Amino acid sequence: AQKITQTQPGMFVQEKEAVTLDCTYDTSDQSYGLFWYKQPSSGEMIFLIYQGSYDEQNATEGRYSLNFQKARKSANLVISASQLGDSAMYFCAMREGRGGSQGNLIFGKGTKLSVKP
Amino acid sequence: GAGVSQSPSNKVTEKGKDVELRCDPISGHTALYWYRQSLGQGLEFLIYFQGNSAPDKSGLPSDRFSAERTGGSVSTLTIQRTQQEDSAVYLCASSLTVGLQPQHFGDGTRLSIL
Repeated sequence: AQKITQTQPGMFVQEKEAVTLDCTYDTSDQSYGLFWYKQPSSGEMIFLIYQGSYDEQNATEGRYSLNFQKARKSANLVISASQLGDSAMYFCAMREGRGGSQGNLIFGKGTKLSVKP
Repeated sequence: GAGVSQSPSNKVTEKGKDVELRCDPISGHTALYWYRQSLGQGLEFLIYFQGNSAPDKSGLPSDRFSAERTGGSVSTLTIQRTQQEDSAVYLCASSLTVGLQPQHFGDGTRLSIL
């Protein structure tokens, strides 16, 4: 079973509007972290936002916020006031906190966001 | 430097040759990770280092792949007897420690096997 599921291969949004990118995850750990990364066409992976499993507040970073619903195991990324520069691939990732884990991030397959002028 | 530095940025080589990919992590970061990104395959974890040791090498796709890290800093990923299926972007990331912290990525090495 996939650990991270991003069901939207591609999304379009009008410039200046908000958009939500979906992410669901699967883990039996109590301690874990959820991350969102942006990958523009140039290829670099840019860290956007982090949510810890014990964090009670939803994480926010500027125009990015993470809608964390623990019971539903979802960690959707909300981008407000979209800009043309937001056009990119967006990856949701999880790091499980159990002892002996590999330490790696587990990535979803990504969502390609296109912002229309 | 300020970020994770990878070299070369692009590498084209013939099938059967050996290649070395280098990663210089963010100063002070003790954890270092290698991933591979292929078309249609997403991001695949290869190996991570805590300091100079690699606790788990099971992510490496075959015994042609090896990695080392010396001095708790620079890491080298070596692929021996390259095959066409090794063509991918190889990404390196580092974090302060191994834990629930963001991993910061380099720009990657695009490897093409002819």
